[in-house]
Amino acid sequence: DAGVIQSPRHEVTEMGQEVTLRCKPISGHNSLFWYRQTMMRGLELLIYFNNNVPIDDSGMPEDRFSAKMPNASFSTLKIQPSEPRDSAVYFCASSLLAVGANVLTFGAGSRLTVL
Amino acid sequence: QQPVQSPQAVILREGEDAVINCSSSKALYSVHWYRQKHGEAPVFLMILLKGGEQKGHDKISASFNEKKQQSSLYLTASQLSYSGTYFCGTEAMNRDDKIIFGKGTRLHILP
Repeated sequence: DAGVIQSPRHEVTEMGQEVTLRCKPISGHNSLFWYRQTMMRGLELLIYFNNNVPIDDSGMPEDRFSAKMPNASFSTLKIQPSEPRDSAVYFCASSLLAVGANVLTFGAGSRLTVL
Repeated sequence: QQPVQSPQAVILREGEDAVINCSSSKALYSVHWYRQKHGEAPVFLMILLKGGEQKGHDKISASFNEKKQQSSLYLTASQLSYSGTYFCGTEAMNRDDKIIFGKGTRLHILP
């Protein structure tokens, strides 16, 4: 398996622009998580899906952020409009939720810089 | 609520031992440990599901005190390859499937 695939790996954009980050989870996994990593806050959980349904989006910082999972093999995280404080590494992780375990496999991350 | 890790950073010489602690204010169902190398994604090390459970992974082991809502990661006879940032992740007793991570402990091993 190719693992969790994220794109783009690096994105540099200007304030006010729309940013779309993409994630392809591991085939067969039924849950998908979006995390944001910064030096100040560490790894923050933004939103997670179970069987393509958003379960908890309480970590999404504000209405500028939105996430979708139209099918089991694809998810997007969109920021519109972007701001400099959104600069961070965004990780997507997937797992196979089963009794007694929820082991995350992370993608390589998307490093976002908003100027 | 984010678990608290301590220490924030550790510098060791190769062969020395280290302990990283993780504490939560909530009742926990499980504790996860991940390691992240610079510029890479976090990688799963182990999960502890029951109070008092200890697990091992090469010379890296961990314990989970369910009553105290604490976990510790033990690195024995550290190797250069152990360098990185270690994160504990916690899942609450209500089994909401959310894994909340601490801010991490940076471990640097000197030759």
